[in-house]
Formats: sequence, structure tokens, C-alpha cells
Amino acid sequence: QKEVEQDPGPLSVPEGAIVSLNCTYSNSAFQYFMWYRQYSRKGPELLMYTYSSGNKEDGRFTAQVDKSSKYISLFIRDSQPSDSATYLCAMSETSGSRLTFGEGTQLTVNP
Amino acid sequence: DARVTQTPRHKVTEMGQEVTMRCQPILGHNTVFWYRQTMMQGLELLAYFRNRAPLDDSGMPKDRFSAEMPDATLATLKIQPSEPRDSAVYFCASGLGGLVRDRVREVYQPQHFGDGTRLSIL
Repeated sequence: QKEVEQDPGPLSVPEGAIVSLNCTYSNSAFQYFMWYRQYSRKGPELLMYTYSSGNKEDGRFTAQVDKSSKYISLFIRDSQPSDSATYLCAMSETSGSRLTFGEGTQLTVNP
Repeated sequence: DARVTQTPRHKVTEMGQEVTMRCQPILGHNTVFWYRQTMMQGLELLAYFRNRAPLDDSGMPKDRFSAEMPDATLATLKIQPSEPRDSAVYFCASGLGGLVRDRVREVYQPQHFGDGTRLSIL
């Protein structure tokens, strides 16, 4: 069983929809929880990070971490076609250390 | 805007050949990571360095892969001999690590990724 599980999708939604992406994990030592966005033929770029449990909001994006359930989520409000990409969750035990990734969810937002 | 630079962007070669991939980390970053991305396995860590010293290379097949940092501005990943199963996209990332933490709130030092080397071994 992988340390981080993520539904690979694909996920297709109409423009303006609310998107929910999720990951579960098994390693209790993870303290940093990240969401990366990856466009085709590009490297992953960091969207948001959360330290320990809690919520974090940045514009249309909200990240949630529930360490008791070992479950993290990313919500995208008012989704746009430009949000179409693969979204990867990632986790690490300390800042600056190795990342363990989920396999990524491919999202398409249709105009 | 500072970026991680990887060369070559694409490489096609026959099995048995040596492959060298290069990475120029962001100036001032002291930690360099090598990841491999495949459809089957997703993104996996191969090795990483801090202050040019290897910290973890447990994800790397030691018999054919080697990673080095000849200086602070260059990291290399070599495969010799290459095999078709090595076909993947190889990403380099750099960041800051091992710093003193803010006691009130953990400060996260993000990893910045290059755009990868797309490797095909025939």
C-alpha cells in the first residue's frame, strides 16, 4: 500500500463548478501538506501548503488538513478552464525534506 | 524570476548507452532533489543533496544510477547502462533546508521544480 493515496480521476467539471480533490495518507510523521499543480510537459508548481491540521485559503483555493483522519483536501471555487491540470498532493515530515506525492488527479474544466 | 534549469529537455537513446542529465538549482538554494515521474508510479524521489552532500539516495538503483553535485550550481544524474524501463520524466527540484525554524509557526521552505528531462530508452 502506498504512503499517500489519491484518486487519479480523470475529473471533468463545467466552468464555475466547485472542485474537491482529496488524499489520504498513512505516515503519522507527516507535518507539511502541499498541493502542487502540474500542466502538461511542465514541472509541478506549488499552489498551497499547510502545516499540521487546519484550513488555509488563498483566493479561490482552500486547503484542509485533518491529521486525526489522515485526510487532506483541496477545494477550488468558481473553477476556470485555466485550472485544467493535474493536481498532486505531497507531504513531508520536515520543511526542506523529501516529498512523498500522491499519483495526481487530472482535472478538466470545460468552458 | 529564479528558475531551476534542466538539460536536456528531451533525450532519446538506445539501451546500453550512458545518459547524463543536468540541473542548475536556484542560486542560494542548498538542497537539490531528483525525482522520477512515470504513469505507473507517479513522482518518486531518487536522491537528494544538502550543501552538496548526499542525504538520501535510497530511491535510486545503485548499480546503474549515480548522482553528484560537482559544485553548488550543478547537479548531475547519470544512468549507465540505460534500460527501456528507465524511460520516464526526470525532475530536479531545489529549495532551502536545515534552517532554524520559527518557534511560533513552522515556516515551510518550498521546493521549486524544473520542467524535467523526458527520457526515452529504445
